[in-house]
Amino acid sequence: GAGVSQSPSNKVTEKGKDVELRCDPISGHTALYWYRQSLGQGLEFLIYFQGNSAPDKSGLPSDRFSAERTGGSVSTLTIQRTQQEDSAVYLCASSRSFSRTQETQYFGPGTRLLVL
Amino acid sequence: DAKTTQPPSMDCAEGRAANLPCNHSTISGNEYVYWYRQIHSQGPQYIIHGLKNNETNEMASLIITEDRKSSTLILPHATLRDTAVYYCIVRVPPRLNSGGSNYKLTFGKGTLLTVNP
Repeated sequence: GAGVSQSPSNKVTEKGKDVELRCDPISGHTALYWYRQSLGQGLEFLIYFQGNSAPDKSGLPSDRFSAERTGGSVSTLTIQRTQQEDSAVYLCASSRSFSRTQETQYFGPGTRLLVL
Repeated sequence: DAKTTQPPSMDCAEGRAANLPCNHSTISGNEYVYWYRQIHSQGPQYIIHGLKNNETNEMASLIITEDRKSSTLILPHATLRDTAVYYCIVRVPPRLNSGGSNYKLTFGKGTLLTVNP
């Protein structure tokens, strides 16, 4: 079946511009996660959505970052007034629910953001 | 989450078994061992996870020592497409930590496995 998809795959923007990154999770997955990965670095958690619960936004690095998930499916990560340090690969993952075979997080291919 | 130690790099010949070790000597009783990999320019990919029994799926086998202080991921017949960074993670599954935040995955440095023709 279809995996997690993300768009755009690459984004080059100028410092100070706003960008929107989109994630389409696997159908039926109730949990959705955003991470980012800077060059040669590990995963940095950003935000987590689970069903209708309030999202865990504890990983968002500043108030320039926001995310929403409409209808419990598609999610959009928005970065306002982008800075050069925002350059990274932004990864989205989804999982079905918390049971042994269904807690696995499946990742999308990522959006490579470059802020000039 | 318990700390893990992995060799920074390994080489393997195509068609041979790749055995990737991971040390997790401080693992606690309810922590599972997970393996993910990340092929260059792609998102991380889940491989396998287990608690104490050995596990096998279509991708790999996971061998966990009896004292659970170390484990080995085995790719039985490595191909060039298996060249990737392999991450060993030890964590309590979210379902066992109600109200906690251990759904956040964190990766260490991992092992760069290079499969050579």
